Amino acid sequence: ETGVTQTPRHLVMGMTNKKSLKCEQHLGHNAMYWYKQSAKKPLELMFVYNFKEQTENNSVPSRFSPECPNSSHLFLHLHTLQPEDSALYLCASSQSTRLGGEQFFGPGTRLTVL
Amino acid sequence: EDQVTQSPEALRLQEGESSSLNCSYTVSGLRGLFWYRQDPGKGPEFLFTLYSAGEEKEKERLKATLTKKESFLHITAPKPEDSATYLCAVHQETSYDKVIFGPGTSLSVIP
Repeated sequence: ETGVTQTPRHLVMGMTNKKSLKCEQHLGHNAMYWYKQSAKKPLELMFVYNFKEQTENNSVPSRFSPECPNSSHLFLHLHTLQPEDSALYLCASSQSTRLGGEQFFGPGTRLTVL
Repeated sequence: EDQVTQSPEALRLQEGESSSLNCSYTVSGLRGLFWYRQDPGKGPEFLFTLYSAGEEKEKERLKATLTKKESFLHITAPKPEDSATYLCAVHQETSYDKVIFGPGTSLSVIP
């Protein structure tokens, strides 16, 4: 595997389900990001991790819970989501947050909440 | 309020018809401005970094320029494979870990 990978690519869940999104980067980077991309809206930054430490939580509802066990892996745990949470969830990495503009993105997980 | 805007929202060009996309920003201190390309169903792909006014970067048919308040992405003699959404993003000096993305310009190049 190369670059940034995300699984699953598609996810349909009910409002009472619990699921997790996984991201893995094979670039040797130290910073990882979660973004939400909704139709007709700019990319919304959700969380930032730098050297496994969370450095940014952009006022994200608690039904989204990130986890970064090491610099290569990032998870987004989902529970009791709302239909408006349906979107493309993108993971990205960069060498560090200091060089945070040059990010490498995964293909995303298309999430549908019923 | 710190923000990034892009214009036009959508652009249709004939193959070979050159044009420019605009990214305007109002942020308190610029660490860097970045251009990305996003194809449907995929994550954004990094294109350029610009750090200071007057700087230019080129890659194939694309050239990015930066002034104190805006950036332009010039597309020379575009081909259908250049069709994509082009995003710009700003890394602020005052917010170490936050990059703000613009809404994007959807470019369609017609053969």
